Amino acid sequence: GAVVSQHPSWVICKSGTSVKIECRSLDFQATTMFWYRQFPKQSLMLMATSNEGSKATYEQGVEKDKFLINHASLTLSTLTVTSAHPEDSSFYICSARGTSGTGRETQYFGPGTRLLVL
Amino acid sequence: QKEVEQDPGPLSVPEGAIVSLNCTYSNSAFQYFMWYRQYSRKGPELLMYTYSSGNKEDGRFTAQVDKSSKYISLFIRDSQPSDSATYLCASNSGGYNKLIFGAGTRLAVHP
Repeated sequence: GAVVSQHPSWVICKSGTSVKIECRSLDFQATTMFWYRQFPKQSLMLMATSNEGSKATYEQGVEKDKFLINHASLTLSTLTVTSAHPEDSSFYICSARGTSGTGRETQYFGPGTRLLVL
Repeated sequence: QKEVEQDPGPLSVPEGAIVSLNCTYSNSAFQYFMWYRQYSRKGPELLMYTYSSGNKEDGRFTAQVDKSSKYISLFIRDSQPSDSATYLCASNSGGYNKLIFGAGTRLAVHP
């Protein structure tokens, strides 16, 4: 299957700082990437959808000025958590829409980034 | 009502058991159905992908979709402790529509 990488895998930062998370599709071009947040023992919550070269579409309740998303190329999207606070501590997972070995288009997930804001 | 409903469990079974995981959905436009497996502190990985109604088998895993009842199932035969994970069902109507996920069912297979 297709491979999606995320960096860093975990980060600890002080309250008030900004954190950037990178998501890369390694062996396919992803015109659409998704960013999710997951709290412990809960399901995935879609934060935003980004298409290459255009502005991200944010889900209701997600602050676009706090969670900056850039999808500058077909293989790279970044999520920047600005002025992070302890309540932003969570598991952030990116996903990229791509084509599997069977030729069908589906969604592949990165390994996730664990953010802890002190 | 959520578009995709899934019992969060937890579900605990002995090794070797047949596991049945289920979801229901409400949107008649859904055509694509997926099952993802997520180990603790990891991203989800795609397990099964089906289009429209019918069955699909891959090794010990069988995915089943019944569009008439809007019911999605994943069966795991000869379950192993390594199958212990959270299983998420997901659906969409295709194209560029976003995936709608169920809450995920936590499965524990004990030796």
